[in-house]
Amino acid sequence: EAEVAQSPRYKITEKSQAVAFWCDPISGHATLYWYRQILGQGPELLVQFQDESVVDDSQLPKDRFSAERLKGVDSTLKIQPAELGDSAMYLCASSLGVQETQYFGPGTRLLVL
Amino acid sequence: QKEVEQDPGPLSVPEGAIVSLNCTYSNSAFQYFMWYRQYSRKGPELLMYTYSSGNKEDGRFTAQVDKSSKYISLFIRDSQPSDSATYLCAMAGGTSYGKLTFGQGTILTVHP
Repeated sequence: EAEVAQSPRYKITEKSQAVAFWCDPISGHATLYWYRQILGQGPELLVQFQDESVVDDSQLPKDRFSAERLKGVDSTLKIQPAELGDSAMYLCASSLGVQETQYFGPGTRLLVL
Repeated sequence: QKEVEQDPGPLSVPEGAIVSLNCTYSNSAFQYFMWYRQYSRKGPELLMYTYSSGNKEDGRFTAQVDKSSKYISLFIRDSQPSDSATYLCAMAGGTSYGKLTFGQGTILTVHP
């Protein structure tokens, strides 16, 4: 069964450092999402791609976060510099298209010290 | 006020019990309603997906949507210890381009 892949699974970093997360969606899925889930809360959308284009990044803190999906397949989410409040689970999801079922990866758990 | 409200629990029930999980929402544009299950330190997995008001059944799980009251429910029959997880309701619709708006999640423990 096809799955969304994410790496690393866990990341510990110090504040002010740069971190990057990688996501490989299910093959053929045109839509890719990055969500952030703070402990004890539901996921919140950071950025949504349709192929290589950003369609929604209204909740992405653009002063420190960036995301790209250069060839419309895998994607990278970067934080620079990391802050204590960025400690959370970063989830990637993909779907065949907009309004289709979203399938989530296992997430990257980030701890900023 | 959050667009989606969900009681975080925690909820603890004995094996075999019927579990009821609920969410309310305020955005009338929501048209798609989902329930995800999330085990500790894992990503959410889709349990149920509904579009219209009414009931949808899948094995031991029943999803119920009442758009007039802006209220959705998930019922689990004959609950098992393996059902112990966090259950997240999620919604989409309108001009959200597929963005899911999640509830806070309800922590469920089913004890033998």
